[in-house]
Formats: sequence, C-alpha cells, structure tokens
Amino acid sequence: EVQLVESGGGLVKPGGSLKLSCAASGFTFSSYGMNWVRQAPGKGLEWVSSISFSSSYTYYTDSVKGRFTISRDNAKNSLYLQMKSLRGGDTAVYYCARGALGRLDYWGQGTLVTVSS
Amino acid sequence: EIVLTQSPGTLSLSPGERATLSCRASQSISSSYLAWYQQKPGQAPRLLIYGASDRATGIPDRFSGSASGTGFTLTISRLEPEDFAVYYCLHYSSSSLTFGGGTKVEIK
Repeated sequence: EVQLVESGGGLVKPGGSLKLSCAASGFTFSSYGMNWVRQAPGKGLEWVSSISFSSSYTYYTDSVKGRFTISRDNAKNSLYLQMKSLRGGDTAVYYCARGALGRLDYWGQGTLVTVSS
Repeated sequence: EIVLTQSPGTLSLSPGERATLSCRASQSISSSYLAWYQQKPGQAPRLLIYGASDRATGIPDRFSGSASGTGFTLTISRLEPEDFAVYYCLHYSSSSLTFGGGTKVEIK
C-alpha cells in the first residue's frame, strides 16, 4: 500500500525556518517525481515545488523561490522541504504528493505550518 | 503564466442529478496535462481524471472529463452522496503546476 506521511509542521515566528519531511512507503520511491502542495486555511490548493526522481530537476512557485528548497533522499525514501524566511502567507497545510506531469496520484494527509508571532 | 478559471464557484444539486463543472484556461494548453481532483473536508485531494479524460485507478465511471479548445469539463453523471465535495482542475507545464480556484458541489 502506498503511504506518504508528512511531518515537521508547527508554529514558527515570521522570519523563522522549518523543515518538512515526507516519508514514503509501498512503492519504489526513486522512480517517481514528488511534489509539495499547500492549502491555506479555507482556501484552495496551491502548488509549491516539484522534484524529479533523480533530483536533477527542481521547480518552485514564484512566491517561494529563494526561500524554500526541495530535496529528496532516495536511500531513505524521504522527501523534504526546507523553508526559510517564513511569512504569514506561508501558513497552510502542506501536502506531499507523488507523481509528475500533473498526475498526482497519491497524497499524504498533510502537516500544518503556522507562521505567527 | 496560465490561469485556470473554474465555474461555477458553487453548484447546488440533489443526489441523482448531473453535475457539469468547467475549467477554462487563459491560453491554449495541452489536454494531456490537465487533471481533476476531488477534495472532501479534512481530507487530502484525490486524483479523479488525468490527461483531460482518463479516469484514475478506482474512479467510478460516473466521472468523466472532456476537452474543447481552452475549455475543460468534468461531468458527474448521477451524483452520489459521497460526491459532494470541492473539485479542482490542475494544469502541468514544463516547470510548474497551476490549480484552478475550485468548484464546490453542495447538496441542494
């Protein structure tokens, strides 16, 4: 069974940092592109970042470029999102999702990041 | 930058009725990279349709997708109680993903 389990969310002050993790199981992690998608409270879905299966390619939405870094460790079946210079607008549930070309076929249950003083 | 506009914002229907949801792109896009997702309160999104018209694994055949020019449609032929949810379209380009704003299908 495919499972994606996010962790690392929490309350952080504006300007602070946080690193999210996504533990994958039930599939060959190293064969799939991975993604982070977020959802602010009461709002719609917003794509954040994607990484290719071999880490050769990484992509970011404009609002997080230079502040967030996506990475993966295929030996540990894990996906990461390092977030720095956090702002109130980054407050959201962050989901990791498997897939590429817009076909995100498995999602974790999400981890909440709250940026507030 | 491509913008996806979903309409209507809210659709009020009764179980058994047909639901037609629209997703319109600001410019021509490949239907190969258009997907639809369903999200219920407190849950993660679920992939319904990819490639504009291909159902994902395990998705009932009452869900169908189609494309026409810059417009895409998700149709639910007969609404079941579990289908009341928010639906999002998603487009993939070479370096980014773009979600539409969502359509809420609520019980009338």
